[in-house]
Amino acid sequence: DVKVTQSSRYLVKRTGEKVFLECVQDMDHENMFWYRQDPGLGLRLIYFSYDVKMKEKGDIPEGYSVSREKKERFSLILESASTNQTSMYLCASSFSDRGGEQYFGPGTRLTVT
Amino acid sequence: RKEVEQDPGPFNVPEGATVAFNCTYSNSASQSFFWYRQDCRKEPKLLMSVYSSGNEDGRFTAQLNRASQYISLLIRDSKLSDSATYLCVVNEGTGFQKLVFGTGTRLLVSP
Repeated sequence: DVKVTQSSRYLVKRTGEKVFLECVQDMDHENMFWYRQDPGLGLRLIYFSYDVKMKEKGDIPEGYSVSREKKERFSLILESASTNQTSMYLCASSFSDRGGEQYFGPGTRLTVT
Repeated sequence: RKEVEQDPGPFNVPEGATVAFNCTYSNSASQSFFWYRQDCRKEPKLLMSVYSSGNEDGRFTAQLNRASQYISLLIRDSKLSDSATYLCVVNEGTGFQKLVFGTGTRLLVSP
């Protein structure tokens, strides 16, 4: 069974703090993704990575950065958290030749106060 | 205009009913299509891919109309466990797979 895990289910941070969200997958997937999900807006792609140390901007990269030092791990970094980054963050992974078949982690509900 | 549009619902149906969801997409160059299911407070999970010829998986049938740029999902003999949000997903990537998600249609199946 594919397993994608995220470091926290719930996180509360203050405005201006640096926030790290970690994602680990155990299926040797080449591709990894970070999305945020907000009511009425659906899932929006923040960043993705198709290989170690490679990263590409998604649709809403502003205010975020990512790191992929190992194939199984993809980190999302909020350099200076703001209240408009309060959201559900979902990590996903897939094989490079089956990009439509993405496996999601359970999500991290981040609240920035 | 949203890239992938769905009726948000909710669709309230009794057990055993047949229910259909539609979805339209704006990018005519889209490559492939999917339905994902998301239970309340859970992550999305792939339900099925959608092929041009139409495809069936048990009680679920998906169809694609490229000319009209819409995708449908039919659920027959609804079960209580089908209650969830159904996400229409379009792959717009050329070369790299880039999925665009609709906001979802909520289904509530009642006894």
